[in-house]
Amino acid sequence: AQKVTQAQTEISVVEKEDVTLDCVYETRDTTYYLFWYKQPPSGELVFLIRRNSFDEQNEISGRYSWNFQKSTSSFNFTITASQVVDSAVYFCALSEAYNFNKFYFGSGTKLNVKP
Amino acid sequence: DVKVTQSSRYLVKRTGEKVFLECVQDMDHENMFWYRQDPGLGLRLIYFSYDVKMKEKGDIPEGYSVSREKKERFSLILESASTNQTSMYLCASSSQGAGDTEAFFGQGTRLTVV
Repeated sequence: AQKVTQAQTEISVVEKEDVTLDCVYETRDTTYYLFWYKQPPSGELVFLIRRNSFDEQNEISGRYSWNFQKSTSSFNFTITASQVVDSAVYFCALSEAYNFNKFYFGSGTKLNVKP
Repeated sequence: DVKVTQSSRYLVKRTGEKVFLECVQDMDHENMFWYRQDPGLGLRLIYFSYDVKMKEKGDIPEGYSVSREKKERFSLILESASTNQTSMYLCASSSQGAGDTEAFFGQGTRLTVV
């Protein structure tokens, strides 16, 4: 069963638009961690954020914000006032308490920001 | 600056060849991973190592083996390369913890098997 689902395969926006990338996860554990990574065209995945299952507080970092809702098993990522440099593939990932050393990745969402 | 380094960015090999993909990390991490990335499928775990000489199969280990003789180095081996192993291969490392550690990734190796 897919543990992390990113239903949006590809999104295209015009610069300065806001965009939300969806992530839905599935786990039976009460303790788990959620992550977002960015993969620019260069190929290397870059870590953006980690959130544990006991912390539902939303987080904002500059133009980036994350909305964690346990009730809907979602961990969505919003980019405000998007820029061309935000163009990348974004991955959501999950690690579970019984094996924190293993990560489950979603299929990724490709974001195209056009000038 | 922490680093995970993969030996090649691009590789072209012939069907049936034995292929070695090398990965080195300089963060003294216990865990190392090999993932395969294909369009629409995201990252799929091939093998995982949590210590020297220790390994664990991931979701798609068939056709692959691994070697970890030193803590900093994790090698992925394609015993007899096939065209369906054409893909992007990503190496990652992380420290062992209680979930509060992220994985660090290399730049990827794009392997083409012809």
